[in-house]
Amino acid sequence: DAGVIQSPRHEVTEMGQEVTLRCKPISGHNSLFWYRQTMMRGLELLIYFNNNVPIDDSGMPEDRFSAKMPNASFSTLKIQPSEPRDSAVYFCASSGTGVHEQYFGPGTRLTVT
Amino acid sequence: DAKTTQPPSMDCAEGRAANLPCNHSTISGNEYVYWYRQIHSQGPQYIIHGLKNNETNEMASLIITEDRKSSTLILPHATLRDTAVYYCIVRVGYRDDKIIFGKGTRLHILP
Repeated sequence: DAGVIQSPRHEVTEMGQEVTLRCKPISGHNSLFWYRQTMMRGLELLIYFNNNVPIDDSGMPEDRFSAKMPNASFSTLKIQPSEPRDSAVYFCASSGTGVHEQYFGPGTRLTVT
Repeated sequence: DAKTTQPPSMDCAEGRAANLPCNHSTISGNEYVYWYRQIHSQGPQYIIHGLKNNETNEMASLIITEDRKSSTLILPHATLRDTAVYYCIVRVGYRDDKIIFGKGTRLHILP
C-alpha cells in the first residue's frame, strides 16, 4: 500500500491566488482528515469526512477555505484567495472503521508570498 | 476528549531507554491512551495505544497506571532516529473522528 498520498509536496504562490491541495486516502479507509501545522498554533484539525460526508468543519479558519470529497479515493482543500498567514504545512490523514490509528500523508508545504 | 499534560522536552542518551510521561487525570472509562510521534518535516506516525493493560509492540511499550490517570511511553533502546515530538492523546477508541493534538514532548536523543 502506498499510504496516504498528497500533492503537491511544495507550493509557492502569491497572495490572492487560488491554491488547491489534493489527497488520496488509503484504499478502504472511510474517514479523511485535513490538518494544518504552524509553529504558532501547532497541529490543528481543519475538517474531517466520514463516508465522503463532511462531519466537522469547525476548524476551517474562514470562508476562504473549502474542502470536498467527491469520492472515497480523493479529496481537495482549496484556499481562495490565499493570504500569507495561510503559509503552513497541510496534512491529510485517513482511517478506517474499527481501526485505531490515523495514517498521515507526507504533507504539503504551502508558502504564500 | 480528556486533556493530557506532557513535559515540553526531554533528553535521552542513545542506547538508553526513553521514558516519556503523560498525565490524563480526567480520562473517562471508555477512553484509550494513544501515542503518536512526529519526526521533523514528516507527518505524525502512530506508535501504540492502550485502554488499561500495558501494551508492547515493535516500536515501544505503554505502561498505564492502575487508576489510568497517567501513562508512560517507553522506547527501550533509543536511537538518533527516535528524535521527534511525541504526542500523548486520550480519546474514545474505534471512532472515526478527530484527534486533538497538544504540544507534545520534544525528545532529543543525545549521541
